[in-house]
Amino acid sequence: QKEVEQDPGPLSVPEGAIVSLNCTYSNSAFQYFMWYRQYSRKGPELLMYTYSSGNKEDGRFTAQVDKSSKYISLFIRDSQPSDSATYLCAMNRIQGAQKLVFGQGTRLTINP
Amino acid sequence: NAGVMQNPRHLVRRRGQEARLRCSPMKGHSHVYWYRQLPEEGLKFMVYLQKENIIDESGMPKERFSAEFPKEGPSILRIQQVVRGDSAAYFCASSDRGETQYFGPGTRLLVL
Repeated sequence: QKEVEQDPGPLSVPEGAIVSLNCTYSNSAFQYFMWYRQYSRKGPELLMYTYSSGNKEDGRFTAQVDKSSKYISLFIRDSQPSDSATYLCAMNRIQGAQKLVFGQGTRLTINP
Repeated sequence: NAGVMQNPRHLVRRRGQEARLRCSPMKGHSHVYWYRQLPEEGLKFMVYLQKENIIDESGMPKERFSAEFPKEGPSILRIQQVVRGDSAAYFCASSDRGETQYFGPGTRLLVL
């Protein structure tokens, strides 16, 4: 079983729709949670960084963490074609190892 | 403020040759991480270094792979005697206190 599970998609939605992306994890030691966006043949770009359970909002993006269910989500409001990319969730432990553990990534396409 | 730089961006090697990948972290960052991304997969941690020290190499293959981050100059990931299975995108990330990691554009290695 993978430490972090993420549906690879692909996910295709019309412009303006609300997009929901999700990851589940098995290790309760994970305390820091991140979402990265990766355009084709580019490096991952940090979108959101959260620590505690609850919601964190940044513009059209909202990150949600539910540690009791070991479940994290990224919501994109008013989606735009420029949001088309692969979205990767990542997480690491509060102390000790600093490596990030990534989900497989979800490929998202926003259709004009 | 320049981001993480990696070179070369593309590297072609024949089986048995050596591949040397370079990473210059963001200004002020002293923590460097290397990740590998196979096609249609998420990023997999390889190694975490600070200046002149390997902190965590739990993701590094036991043979042929090595990494360093000298006091002066870039971090280098070296792959000796490359095989076709080494073909992948290799990403470097850097951070200042081991939390938020910022990624470079990657080096795409193709082994013929």
